[in-house]
Amino acid sequence: AQSVTQLDSQVPVFEEAPVELRCNYSSSVSVYLFWYVQYPNQGLQLLLKYLSGSTLVKGINGFEAEFNKSQTSFHLRKPSVHISDTAEYFCAVSERISAGGTSYGKLTFGQGTILTVHP
Amino acid sequence: ETGVTQTPRHLVMGMTNKKSLKCEQHLGHNAMYWYKQSAKKPLELMFVYNFKEQTENNSVPSRFSPECPNSSHLFLHLHTLQPEDSALYLCASSHTRDRPYEQYFGPGTRLTVT
Repeated sequence: AQSVTQLDSQVPVFEEAPVELRCNYSSSVSVYLFWYVQYPNQGLQLLLKYLSGSTLVKGINGFEAEFNKSQTSFHLRKPSVHISDTAEYFCAVSERISAGGTSYGKLTFGQGTILTVHP
Repeated sequence: ETGVTQTPRHLVMGMTNKKSLKCEQHLGHNAMYWYKQSAKKPLELMFVYNFKEQTENNSVPSRFSPECPNSSHLFLHLHTLQPEDSALYLCASSHTRDRPYEQYFGPGTRLTVT
């Protein structure tokens, strides 16, 4: 069984400050990790993903995340935030399900972290 | 139109009504998903369709009835809903060979049950 814990439900920061949104996961199978962002009244947009290889992954809008297997973490960081980064951020772990020669992903999401950037 | 689209964007229905949510993807994917996003709760996977075949039903009440006529379209038929079913319903799709774990989401349908 998979689970995701986002350690902060709300993170307020000032514009141009650095930010870290924390995520811990547990998974009994190969790990595929994602961060999604949800702006008000919108769906989820993929921010970045870790599938394999380099543990530091870069995404859109200047965000990056580091996969740490020993600490089972996948924290999201940005060195300098903008007002426009105000949104809710979701960490997710995916299990690959194989069926009849094809595959699909089964995502488990964390509770979400609301990032509010103040001027 | 590109990506994943959902209609309607907002829906208000009474408990005795019957309505349907529609999702369409223009990405050439073959797996489609319904999720429910309620306030104060994590996103919940409801159903998965892989090449039009339902492969996951996450213990969803029968008042929600999914339909996948082809790999590009997914419906969620609603009847005799309860107020606690009010939520944002999100549709997603993914490729079934390349990057099957990478799901692309639509904007959602905000459902209010009165």
